[in-house]
Amino acid sequence: AQSVTQLGSHVSVSEGALVLLRCNYSSSVPPYLFWYVQYPNQGLQLLLKYTTGATLVKGINGFEAEFKKSETSFHLTKPSAHMSDAAEYFCAVSVAGNQFYFGTGTSLTVIP
Amino acid sequence: DSGVTQTPKHLITATGQRVTLRCSPRSGDLSVYWYQQSLDQGLQFLIQYYNGEERAKGNILERFSAQQFPDLHSELNLSSLELGDSALYFCASSAFPGQGIYEQYFGPGTRLTVT
Repeated sequence: AQSVTQLGSHVSVSEGALVLLRCNYSSSVPPYLFWYVQYPNQGLQLLLKYTTGATLVKGINGFEAEFKKSETSFHLTKPSAHMSDAAEYFCAVSVAGNQFYFGTGTSLTVIP
Repeated sequence: DSGVTQTPKHLITATGQRVTLRCSPRSGDLSVYWYQQSLDQGLQFLIQYYNGEERAKGNILERFSAQQFPDLHSELNLSSLELGDSALYFCASSAFPGQGIYEQYFGPGTRLTVT
């Protein structure tokens, strides 16, 4: 069975500080991993994805994530937070594209 | 703009009623997924269709049903509505599962309020 755990439902960082959003997954097969962002009153937007190959994945808006198989993790990072990064972030795992399992989300607050 | 459209944007109805939510996937996408997002349950996968056929089922209640039509648009039917069905309902589409992993593109959602 596949599942995703996002540690910390709320994260607050100061503007300019490092953003770290944690995601751990459970998968019985090689996982395909995704991070999505949701701004208020909007749908989810893909930030980045890992399928195969390079384990460090770069996405939009300066975000990146590293797939660590030994730790079953796919944490999302950004070196310097911007006010516009305030949003809800979802980690997801997919099994052969047929079904996506989403984490419960992490709400990011950026403090000026 | 993801290219996925959903109508209506907002829907207010009474308990016991039936509603239909509509989704048009991105041009060329064969798969459609439906999700329910509520404050207490988070983002829950409901059901997936691929090229008109049901492909996967998640936490979808028996009072809910969906279908995908030959033109690939999809409808989610919710009946005997209860207060707890109030939520945001998202549709997402992707290209073709099984030939590489294609990310999902989400629509803007339909906000359903049951009174």
